Amino acid sequence: AQKITQTQPGMFVQEKEAVTLDCTYDTSDQSYGLFWYKQPSSGEMIFLIYQGSYDEQNATEGRYSLNFQKARKSANLVISASQLGDSAMYFCAMREGNTGGFKTIFGAGTRLFVKA
Amino acid sequence: DSGVTQTPKHLITATGQRVTLRCSPRSGDLSVYWYQQSLDQGLQFLIQYYNGEERAKGNILERFSAQQFPDLHSELNLSSLELGDSALYFCASSVEGGPSTDTQYFGPGTRLTVL
Repeated sequence: AQKITQTQPGMFVQEKEAVTLDCTYDTSDQSYGLFWYKQPSSGEMIFLIYQGSYDEQNATEGRYSLNFQKARKSANLVISASQLGDSAMYFCAMREGNTGGFKTIFGAGTRLFVKA
Repeated sequence: DSGVTQTPKHLITATGQRVTLRCSPRSGDLSVYWYQQSLDQGLQFLIQYYNGEERAKGNILERFSAQQFPDLHSELNLSSLELGDSALYFCASSVEGGPSTDTQYFGPGTRLTVL
């Protein structure tokens, strides 16, 4: 079964507008972490934002915020005031496990296109 | 710049050959992870080391092996290479390598092309 689902293979957004990239996850663990990474065309993976399962407030990092809805098991990334440089692939990831072992699972990604 | 370094940046080799990819983690990070990113498989976790010991294993083929040295750098060895091994190989590092709070920082990747 898919543990991390990103249902939008591609998204378009107008420059300066906000965009939401969807991510749903599946886990039976109580303690887990949710991450978003950006992969520009140059190929590197850039860490954007982290949300812990016990965090009551939504995480924010500059123009990035994570809309965490625990009951719905969703962790959507919101990018405000989109810029041309935001055009990239975005990956949602979840880290789960316990002292017996942890693992990180990545979604298939969403490609974001920012239009001028 | 994440602080994680990987060499080489590009590698072109032939089927049946063996290659070694190298990774140096961020200063202070004890854990190293290896991932393979291909077009058809997405980003796949291969293996994790923590302070020199293997911590977790993912979808790593028997032809592949890795180790982490006392200075914490890591090497991923790929042998009997096949065309399907062509991919972008990432190394990531984190402080503890354990809890779900542990953020992984990725290196720039090594692009392997097998001809």
